[in-house]
Amino acid sequence: EAQVTQNPRYLITVTGKKLTVTCSQNMNHEYMSWYRQDPGLGLRQIYYSMNVEVTDKGDVPEGYKVSRKEKRNFPLILESPSPNQTSLYFCASSLYGQGNGELFFGEGSRLTVL
Amino acid sequence: AQSVTQPDIHITVSEGASLELRCNYSYGATPYLFWYVQSPGQGLQLLLKYFSGDTLVQGIKGFEAEFKRSQSSFNLRKPSVHWSDAAEYFCAVGLNTNAGKSTFGDGTTLTVKP
Repeated sequence: EAQVTQNPRYLITVTGKKLTVTCSQNMNHEYMSWYRQDPGLGLRQIYYSMNVEVTDKGDVPEGYKVSRKEKRNFPLILESPSPNQTSLYFCASSLYGQGNGELFFGEGSRLTVL
Repeated sequence: AQSVTQPDIHITVSEGASLELRCNYSYGATPYLFWYVQSPGQGLQLLLKYFSGDTLVQGIKGFEAEFKRSQSSFNLRKPSVHWSDAAEYFCAVGLNTNAGKSTFGDGTTLTVKP
């Protein structure tokens, strides 16, 4: 089954404790992207990757890091989480990018930073 | 920079009634346009997309949308709403000049009355 898998789905952590949210897709997509969803703000793009070893900032990259060492994986790293990073995070993939086609979304990861 | 506006935060319709969700975009050229639906606790699913050609596009679940260049709009419609359509709906813009960037509206929550 074609899917985007995120882990963990739910996480409560404390300020400053590094964490990684993993994202994996099995559709051989070149493009992957991370978003955060906050009430009343829709989805805001954090980082995206057009292909392996190619990443770029979205609209709200501060406080986040990403890497794309393999085509299928695109982890989101919070080096020193803060309470304002409490949010619902979505990973998405597409064959060539939002400008060219449909995004496939994971089910989301709800992160709470105390 | 591109932007997407969904003027209605929340819409309530009766089951069987028609539906129109509004979306306006700001971009210097014709963007790629998308509508996604998010059911509670789920990721986003593509309803339909517009790249070029016929300005009336058909999607899944009986939805359609019309691109109006003169109004910079891409409104979503459905002739008869079902209770299962209750969800949050997002309009999104992709750029033909940068396939990596994507911008979403803030979303419209649809409630369906029996």
